[in-house]
Amino acid sequence: DAGVTQSPTHLIKTRGQHVTLRCSPISGHKSVSWYQQVLGQGPQFIFQYYEKEERGRGNFPDRFSARQFPNYSSELNVNALLLGDSALYLCASSRGLPSSGNTIYFGEGSWLTVV
Amino acid sequence: ILNVEQSPQSLHVQEGDSTNFTCSFPSSNFYALHWYRWETAKSPEALFVMTLNGDEKKKGRISATLNTKEGYSYLYIKGSQPEDSATYLCASAAGGSQGNLIFGKGTKLSVKP
Repeated sequence: DAGVTQSPTHLIKTRGQHVTLRCSPISGHKSVSWYQQVLGQGPQFIFQYYEKEERGRGNFPDRFSARQFPNYSSELNVNALLLGDSALYLCASSRGLPSSGNTIYFGEGSWLTVV
Repeated sequence: ILNVEQSPQSLHVQEGDSTNFTCSFPSSNFYALHWYRWETAKSPEALFVMTLNGDEKKKGRISATLNTKEGYSYLYIKGSQPEDSATYLCASAAGGSQGNLIFGKGTKLSVKP
């Protein structure tokens, strides 16, 4: 079975632009979450979706939005990009919520550079 | 807001040494503790998920213990090998309807041949 797949793997954007990152979960997984990872820090939670409903939102501005589609894939959108949005964006999937003891599987991430 | 701390920040050992790292987390409202191994240019690899106080899990030379009452978990690596070099992350799961993980900053392990 394919693991969690993310696209694009690398991209460069200019300040003020918009970006869409995509994620396909492992087949059978209904939960998708997004994390931002910057150098020297652990991954920071952005969004959690379960069964196509938003179940949690981290401390990120409204410029960040996400959605989960009927096939459980997900998109993360960031508007009005800032230099500080440069980071590795990780998508993770699981059968259920992490708090219930479900193993979370990560993709390889999308490296975003804002110039 | 949960605060997950890991120590040490980095660790350099010789091949064959055994080593351990610590993850501390708030013991109130505990739900689950996750350990990950993250090699450069790869995705984080799930090692263990533990939910019960006293849990002990083992995968090859790597094992982990959990103490939910005092809010800590240990990860042990027996007979470290160069391929064990990676960053080891722990994360505590938020509870309720939120399903997010709160990560520590990780322990970077380097094993010299």
